[in-house]
Amino acid sequence: GEDVEQSLFLSVREGDSSVINCTYTDSSSTYLYWYKQEPGAGLQLLTYIFSNMDMKQDQRLTVLLNKKDKHLSLRIADTQTGDSAIYFCAEGTAGNKLTFGGGTRVLVKP
Amino acid sequence: GAVVSQHPSWVICKSGTSVKIECRSLDFQATTMFWYRQFPKQSLMLMATSNEGSKATYEQGVEKDKFLINHASLTLSTLTVTSAHPEDSSFYICSGTGSSTNEKLFFGSGTQLSVL
Repeated sequence: GEDVEQSLFLSVREGDSSVINCTYTDSSSTYLYWYKQEPGAGLQLLTYIFSNMDMKQDQRLTVLLNKKDKHLSLRIADTQTGDSAIYFCAEGTAGNKLTFGGGTRVLVKP
Repeated sequence: GAVVSQHPSWVICKSGTSVKIECRSLDFQATTMFWYRQFPKQSLMLMATSNEGSKATYEQGVEKDKFLINHASLTLSTLTVTSAHPEDSSFYICSGTGSSTNEKLFFGSGTQLSVL
């Protein structure tokens, strides 16, 4: 079955770049997503990438996809205190259920 | 992005009572709604998938008679936790998708259920 794994925790200083990594196993995935969850809140879609792409940039966010190694990363440039949250990667096919990673808790220190 | 409104945000109920959680897509037609459950510091676990006008498909281990899902219209899905017990206490999140969202999922803000 599908499996998505992430590191549990990342600590970064304000102004530095953050890189959150994710690995997945389902080679039939069409889309790969990054969601942000703040305490007690739902999930906010940050960005996504089609499986036939290898990079996508959206303002401070850069997504890199290595399809051969089934590795996905999210880079946040100039990390701010408001970026402190849990970040989930997820993989799925169009319109189908997503499989989520366990989430990476990002702590931004001033 | 598309907006999914979920309420209540939190609810406290007595053991044995039923609780209904609503999820509305405000600016798109959600042909499919997904219901997730999240325990503290854990990932989201899919409970069920519902397509408008059809019976929900439940994941293995999820009791369909306990977690009643209704998706009677393209903008509203409800999850009713029947005869709630303390172990049902959790964070429940819905998400919706449709043709106008390019098949991406948009999530509600979640409902924290506490059963006493």
